[in-house]
Amino acid sequence: DQQVKQNSPSLSVQEGRISILNCDYTNSMFDYFLWYKKYPAEGPTFLISISSIKDKNEDGRFTVFLNKSAKHLSLHIVPSQPGDSAVYFCAASGSFGNEKLTFGTGTRLTIIP
Amino acid sequence: DAMVIQNPRYQVTQFGKPVTLSCSQTLNHNVMYWYQQKSSQAPKLLFHYYDKDFNNEADTPDNFQSRRPNTSFCFLDIRSPGLGDAAMYLCATSLLQGAQNGYTFGSGTRLTVV
Repeated sequence: DQQVKQNSPSLSVQEGRISILNCDYTNSMFDYFLWYKKYPAEGPTFLISISSIKDKNEDGRFTVFLNKSAKHLSLHIVPSQPGDSAVYFCAASGSFGNEKLTFGTGTRLTIIP
Repeated sequence: DAMVIQNPRYQVTQFGKPVTLSCSQTLNHNVMYWYQQKSSQAPKLLFHYYDKDFNNEADTPDNFQSRRPNTSFCFLDIRSPGLGDAAMYLCATSLLQGAQNGYTFGSGTRLTVV
């Protein structure tokens, strides 16, 4: 039972354009959402997060949007740069005994120069 | 730099031969996690320690064990590796439980079973 789903295994975007990565979740107890970035042969590194009390969080070129009614979040990267090429994991957690981090399967983003 | 270090980066073991993967941290974090990630799949939590308290996930096979002799080190023991246990094993730490506290991941150990 995959509670966090990333339905696009891969995405290619032209350098300078916007990259949009999508994530859906099924567990209504999730109240905190994160995006991690992973380069080959390295562990995931934290990118940006959002609490369920917000619908948008922005950090430089990265913005995460949360639609609680649709149980959907997205990561926008603008403008996209070659160094953004990596695998992006969506993750979610809850509270009060449900704190463990549950990951999606990842989306491989390739930025085309 | 404070970090999470996993050794070795690559491990080859024989079918059925016990193997131990190691994780160390200099962050002085209370919580240490072990995740298994198979190809094209989501990282899956196997278990975690909060200080000395061990928390096993319900669907983690008995073949997987863990030890945390002190704050800095945590080990993953696979008693009888099968071909299906070939995966990337990720160690992570956090100061407290809960994703809001931030997880720091190691670079992982890629396990091959022959």
